Amino acid sequence: GENVEQHPSTLSVQEGDSAVIKCTYSDSASNYFPWYKQELGKRPQLIIDIRSNVGEKKDQRIAVTLNKTAKHFSLHITETQPEDSAVYFCAAKAGGGNKLTFGTGTQLKVEL
Amino acid sequence: GAVVSQHPSWVICKSGTSVKIECRSLDFQATTMFWYRQFPKQSLMLMATSNEGSKATYEQGVEKDKFLINHASLTLSTLTVTSAHPEDSSFYICSASGFGGRASLMYGEQYFGPGTRLTVT
Repeated sequence: GENVEQHPSTLSVQEGDSAVIKCTYSDSASNYFPWYKQELGKRPQLIIDIRSNVGEKKDQRIAVTLNKTAKHFSLHITETQPEDSAVYFCAAKAGGGNKLTFGTGTQLKVEL
Repeated sequence: GAVVSQHPSWVICKSGTSVKIECRSLDFQATTMFWYRQFPKQSLMLMATSNEGSKATYEQGVEKDKFLINHASLTLSTLTVTSAHPEDSSFYICSASGFGGRASLMYGEQYFGPGTRLTVT
């Protein structure tokens, strides 16, 4: 089955700096890669996703890049703000299936 | 759009009793619903996948007789934790995936409910 690894597990940045979270996946048939943000005690919220026919996608301060050859994808947050502090999860969905395999999460802390 | 509700948000029950959790998609038809379990500071662990009108598919190691899942309509799925024990205490989250609807879902994105905090005493 699919295996998703996520790094780093914790990340501290200064407000205004950029943050990058990286994930690798094992199943070359995976074709959908969402990123979720989860605040303490709340639901994971879909913040951006990318399909395998696209190499990069951007939404305001958030961008995701995908390298199918290397089987890795990354989340980029620019101009970080304190409200960006949360746990971020990457996930991958294998082609033909409908379930997501999640990474282990990254605790992002944006410091003033 | 893409709103998923879950009820109750928290529940405390005594060991040996059963607890039912409901998951509803409010603005789209959920052809598939997923049930996850999340322990503190850990990732989401998929328990089972349910398609409307079909039996749920359970992940390895999840007892289907203990965690009963019903997906009787395109907007409602339920998880019943039977004979709950303290080790079943956890955060249970559902997600829903579908197409179209007022949420204008395009390719089966998954949206999560707010979760249910279960404490078994």
